[in-house]
Amino acid sequence: GAVVSQHPSWVICKSGTSVKIECRSLDFQATTMFWYRQFPKQSLMLMATSNEGSKATYEQGVEKDKFLINHASLTLSTLTVTSAHPEDSSFYICSARVFRSEAYEQYFGPGTRLTVT
Amino acid sequence: AQSVTQLGSHVSVSEGALVLLRCNYSSSVPPYLFWYVQYPNQGLQLLLKYTSAATLVKGINDFEAEFKKSETSFHLTKPSAHMSDAAEYFCAVRAYSGAGSYQLTFGKGTKLSVIP
Repeated sequence: GAVVSQHPSWVICKSGTSVKIECRSLDFQATTMFWYRQFPKQSLMLMATSNEGSKATYEQGVEKDKFLINHASLTLSTLTVTSAHPEDSSFYICSARVFRSEAYEQYFGPGTRLTVT
Repeated sequence: AQSVTQLGSHVSVSEGALVLLRCNYSSSVPPYLFWYVQYPNQGLQLLLKYTSAATLVKGINDFEAEFKKSETSFHLTKPSAHMSDAAEYFCAVRAYSGAGSYQLTFGKGTKLSVIP
């Protein structure tokens, strides 16, 4: 199978601090990783797409200076929420994509619950 | 642009009854369509996907979906609901985002409740 892990699974931080979330593909190499944000009882909204070794592509309305994405290797992408505020509280889900069996397959991590107090 | 619309934000069925979750898509090109399930505080798990092969797609846990081009629909069904099916279900379409890249666009989700 293909497993994507996220760490931490939940985090509480104070307003003004920064939080880093890690996303790892455990048994495959992912050339592309995606970061989504999900508000309570709502759908997933794509924040950014990152390709290994290059800058992330952010969706319209997502502040790239606030949500820093680093895709340092084919198995690791990180999302850093800088100077977090209560409105950044959300469920963040990463996804990793790999090309196999002549098609792209996308696998999702278990998510990280961020609460900013 | 590709998009999906899920009709009904909340569906309740009795245990053992038929499950029907509706999804309509909009796409200017032949779409790839997906159904995902999300349990509370968890990520998404792929139930099934349509990739332009057979129009009736079978997935895990006895779920299936039928691609109907004439109706631009991809409804999810299961003959008999189990309590463990209670979760949030998302329909998604794969959209071309430029420069040879694709991304998933999700519907708003349908919460399925199963009544014992």
